[in-house]
Amino acid sequence: AQTVTQSQPEMSVQEAETVTLSCTYDTSESDYYLFWYKQPPSRQMILVIRQEAYKQQNATENRFSVNFQKAAKSFSLKISDSQLGDAAMYFCAAWAGATNKLIFGTGTLLAVQP
Amino acid sequence: EPEVTQTPSHQVTQMGQEVILRCVPISNHLYFYWYRQILGQKVEFLVSFYNNEISEKSEIFDDQFSVERPDGSNFTLKIRSTKLEDSAMYFCASDRVNTGELFFGEGSRLTVL
Repeated sequence: AQTVTQSQPEMSVQEAETVTLSCTYDTSESDYYLFWYKQPPSRQMILVIRQEAYKQQNATENRFSVNFQKAAKSFSLKISDSQLGDAAMYFCAAWAGATNKLIFGTGTLLAVQP
Repeated sequence: EPEVTQTPSHQVTQMGQEVILRCVPISNHLYFYWYRQILGQKVEFLVSFYNNEISEKSEIFDDQFSVERPDGSNFTLKIRSTKLEDSAMYFCASDRVNTGELFFGEGSRLTVL
């Protein structure tokens, strides 16, 4: 079974500053993918960034990057130069092809202070 | 940009009534999913669907739930006899290939009274 844990229910960051959201996961699969999804208030989830477990290099998408520590089963999201539009619920998620389902953590609500 | 569309956006129903939630996945996607989220909390997997059959379902997805792809575009979730605890936001999602990169709809809010 896969589990995803987000230990920070809420985080706050000043505009233009950097924030890191934590995530740990557990899976018995060797082939898996990890994701961060963003859910703005009353809107659908959108993909922020994705990491294939077989890749050692950390994924980067503009101001968003991850720190993937495979041995520690850790997958944190760093948001640089935070903007007001980054305020949302962020979900960490894990996918293993053998299970054919995406499992989400409980989410971290990010507030961005002007 | 292609998107997943869901109807209705909000439905209010009486306990015991049947509800059908509809989704139109992105046209070239092959894998379809339903998730639910209660009161902005954890997003829970319900069911995955591929090649006209269920490929995976959770414990939540009991005999009261069913899914169908009645034609080439729609993907529906039916709850036969709604309970109070079925009140939630239901999200449909689709995936072009089986890699977990899901595209979500805006959700259907179900309120059971």
